[in-house]
Amino acid sequence: GESVGLHLPTLSVQEGDNSIINCAYSNSASDYFIWYKQESGKGPQFIIDIRSNMDKRQGQRVTVLLNKTVKHLSLQIAATQPGDSAVYFCAFKAAGNKLTFGGGTRVLVKP
Amino acid sequence: DGGITQSPKYLFRKEGQNVTLSCEQNLNHDAMYWYRQDPGQGLRLIYYSQIVNDFQKGDIAEGYSVSREKKESFPLTVTSAQKNPTAFYLCASSIMWNAGQSSNQPQHFGDGTRLSIL
Repeated sequence: GESVGLHLPTLSVQEGDNSIINCAYSNSASDYFIWYKQESGKGPQFIIDIRSNMDKRQGQRVTVLLNKTVKHLSLQIAATQPGDSAVYFCAFKAAGNKLTFGGGTRVLVKP
Repeated sequence: DGGITQSPKYLFRKEGQNVTLSCEQNLNHDAMYWYRQDPGQGLRLIYYSQIVNDFQKGDIAEGYSVSREKKESFPLTVTSAQKNPTAFYLCASSIMWNAGQSSNQPQHFGDGTRLSIL
C-alpha cells in the first residue's frame, strides 16, 4: 500500500504488549479531543474521544488520558495486535467548528 | 450504510487545469470539511462549511474553491493557482458543534482522493 507519512515518529511494539502514544497541545481553551487511526491509503478512522471535563476514558482495548495541567493527551492500546499497525493522530477542537491535528505517530507491531 | 464517499480515488492534473474532487455524505451532517495531507504531516484544513450556501476558509485556502449547494455535497476545486497540488485530499463531516461540550461529536472521514501532477 501507499505510505501515509514517510518521516513520522515511529513506535515499534511487540505483539501482545501495550502501546502508549503521546500528543501535546498548546491551546488551553481546547475542550474536546479525538484520537484517529489511519491505515495506508485510507481516511482517518475514529477511535475514541474525550471532553475536557474528564481525565480518562476507556473503550475496547483503548484508553485515552487527558492532563490539562500540562496540556498532554495519550492513547493507550492494550495487548497490541498486528491490525493496530497504522498512523495515529490526535486532534483537538479549539475555536469554532474546527479541529487541529497533530503530526501523527506510526505504530509498527512486530510479530 | 451511512458514510462519506469521495471520488475519484486517484486524479491527475495537467498544467493549467482545474480539477474538482467530489465528496458526498448521507449522514445528515450539517458541517463538512476539506483537508489536505502531505507525507509526514498531519491534516491541514482547506475549507469548511457549516450550512448550505455558506463556507469559510481554513488554514490553506489559497488556490482552492468550494461550493455547498446541497447538504449532502461539498465539492472541492483545485485551481491552476495552486502550484503544489500533489497531495492526499480528505473530506469529513460532522454534526454542528454548538456551544457546550455535550454536542461535541467526532468528524467522520471519507477514504480520500490522491491528486498528482502529470
